[in-house]
Amino acid sequence: TAGITQAPTSQILAAGRSMTLRCTQDMRHNAMYWYRQDLGLGLRLIHYSNTAGTTGKGEVPDGYSVSRANTDDFPLTLASAVPSQTSVYFCASSDGDRAEQYFGPGTRLTVT
Amino acid sequence: GQNIDQPTEMTATEGAIVQINCTYQTSGFNGLFWYQQHAGEAPTFLSYNVLDGLEEKGRFSSFLSRSKGYSYLLLKELQMKDSASYLCAVRDSNYQLIWGAGTKLIIKP
Repeated sequence: TAGITQAPTSQILAAGRSMTLRCTQDMRHNAMYWYRQDLGLGLRLIHYSNTAGTTGKGEVPDGYSVSRANTDDFPLTLASAVPSQTSVYFCASSDGDRAEQYFGPGTRLTVT
Repeated sequence: GQNIDQPTEMTATEGAIVQINCTYQTSGFNGLFWYQQHAGEAPTFLSYNVLDGLEEKGRFSSFLSRSKGYSYLLLKELQMKDSASYLCAVRDSNYQLIWGAGTKLIIKP
């Protein structure tokens, strides 16, 4: 079982460009999450989805959008990247919002 | 506001015991999690506490006091592979996880 996969592993992106970070899970978990992790800060929730077809805003949603067309996929889109979006992005999933979360390997994004 | 506090860094000796503390102030409480994160890798689940007391899982134990807003993670018989960051997270009234910045644990031979 692959668990959660993310793509790309890393990316350098010019400011103003758009990009979609991909996340796929094969555990049939209902809930999925996108976090960013910055040095010295805890993981911060960007967006979440409790079930396919629904999404919600987390702590730091500005500049990001998500969709949840099916159970397995939860892409994160940066419409117009800015340098402050340089971070490591983790996708996670859980079997409902009351269970522990499983994390993907992360995407390291640098916006120049 | 919501806040999770943990020490930034700790150092311990191989074979010894170390306790990593976490204090929290959150809007509601629906459980506390500990995760381990090796450098450059994803966080992995270690333990979960929702009731007061100690939960033991092999070399790792986690304690919770809800009245004090306090938890600790106890690691026994430390091994070099335990060198990692340990993240404390609290599930709030909206069932979202609020994360501490993590404690970097350095193990010396």
